[in-house]
Amino acid sequence: EAGVVQSPRYKIIEKKQPVAFWCNPISGHNTLYWYRQNLGQGPELLIRYENEEAVDDSQLPKDRFSAERLKGVDSTLKIQPAELGDSAVYLCASSFSGRGYEQYFGPGTRLTVT
Amino acid sequence: DAKTTQPPSMDCAEGRAANLPCNHSTISGNEYVYWYRQIHSQGPQYIIHGLKNNETNEMASLIITEDRKSSTLILPHATLRDTAVYYCIVRAGDTGTASKLTFGTGTRLQVTL
Repeated sequence: EAGVVQSPRYKIIEKKQPVAFWCNPISGHNTLYWYRQNLGQGPELLIRYENEEAVDDSQLPKDRFSAERLKGVDSTLKIQPAELGDSAVYLCASSFSGRGYEQYFGPGTRLTVT
Repeated sequence: DAKTTQPPSMDCAEGRAANLPCNHSTISGNEYVYWYRQIHSQGPQYIIHGLKNNETNEMASLIITEDRKSSTLILPHATLRDTAVYYCIVRAGDTGTASKLTFGTGTRLQVTL
């Protein structure tokens, strides 16, 4: 069984440029999460989807970050415009509804903003 | 969710048991203890969870004290591949997604030859 797929694995952009990350969750997982992980810190939740609905986006900086999960399967996280402080690893995870304690994470996208 | 306290780092010799402590003195009655680990350049991986009874699976054992204020994750025979950051998380509920996972800074376990 394939795990959570994320692309790209690495991205280097200049500040003020846009960037997008893509995630394909494990088949059958209705719940999808986006996390951000700063160096030396644990992951922090940005947004959680139940199917197509964003049910927790309280930690998403909505002035520059957006996310979508149009068909309830794969998802895209976008930053526009990027700032130097956005440099981090962006992790996608998925789980079965009702088993949110057992999340399966992808390898992440390492973003460097210069 | 209750806050957890873990040592920043630990060492363990390969083949020996690794015992990773976690303090959660403010845990509530409906909060579970979860453990995840993150190997370098990978996403976190679920290990085990429990409420008040000791739990064991193919990866590890979880020992929760009777007062539930602390717990220990035990890797019975650590290998080099167990080198990772281990996160102890306290979260309300065993099902559903109402309560998110809040990761701290974890314990960096280094397994050595």
